[in-house]
Amino acid sequence: DVKVTQSSRYLVKRTGEKVFLECVQDMDHENMFWYRQDPGLGLRLIYFSYDVKMKEKGDIPEGYSVSREKKERFSLILESASTNQTSMYLCASSDRGNRNSNQPQHFGDGTRLSIL
Amino acid sequence: DAKTTQPNSMESNEEEPVHLPCNHSTISGTDYIHWYRQLPSQGPEYVIHGLTSNVNNRMASLAIAEDRKSSTLILHRATLRDAAVYYCILFLLYNQGGKLIFGQGTELSVKP
Repeated sequence: DVKVTQSSRYLVKRTGEKVFLECVQDMDHENMFWYRQDPGLGLRLIYFSYDVKMKEKGDIPEGYSVSREKKERFSLILESASTNQTSMYLCASSDRGNRNSNQPQHFGDGTRLSIL
Repeated sequence: DAKTTQPNSMESNEEEPVHLPCNHSTISGTDYIHWYRQLPSQGPEYVIHGLTSNVNNRMASLAIAEDRKSSTLILHRATLRDAAVYYCILFLLYNQGGKLIFGQGTELSVKP
């Protein structure tokens, strides 16, 4: 089974801190994704990556950056954390297949981040 | 982006079939219909997907209307472990791959 592991289930940080959320997948997937999930807003795509060192902005990239130095690892970075970034963060990965193949995404269990 | 519409909540009895509806009237010809579910305190889990024909797998069946403007996820025998939020999603082609646009989902409760 595909395993997507997020480094922390719960994290508390302070306003202005630089925050790193780490995600590792063990299935050699090309594609990796970062979402945030908020009550009433559902899951929203922040960034995704379809290859090492490649990244694409999702729907809400402002205030975030990402890093993909190795295929199995995708990091989400909050350069200067703010209280409106308190949320559940979910990482996912998928096989690329071909462009139309609609490969399922496999999710981690999330990191609940609180910014005080 | 094309959107989906689902009821906010549904109830089912254990061991009975469940039909979860989804409307996607603005779907385009190349959009696949995906279903995911999210159990409490877990990330979303892939259930099934399809384009035009009905699909079956070990978890569920997906019935797609002939005009593709609606679909129904069918759980053949609901169990207590099926209580979750079910998301009907259109998969959008995007640059090198695609992206899922999550809606609000249907919260399914299963009564013993």
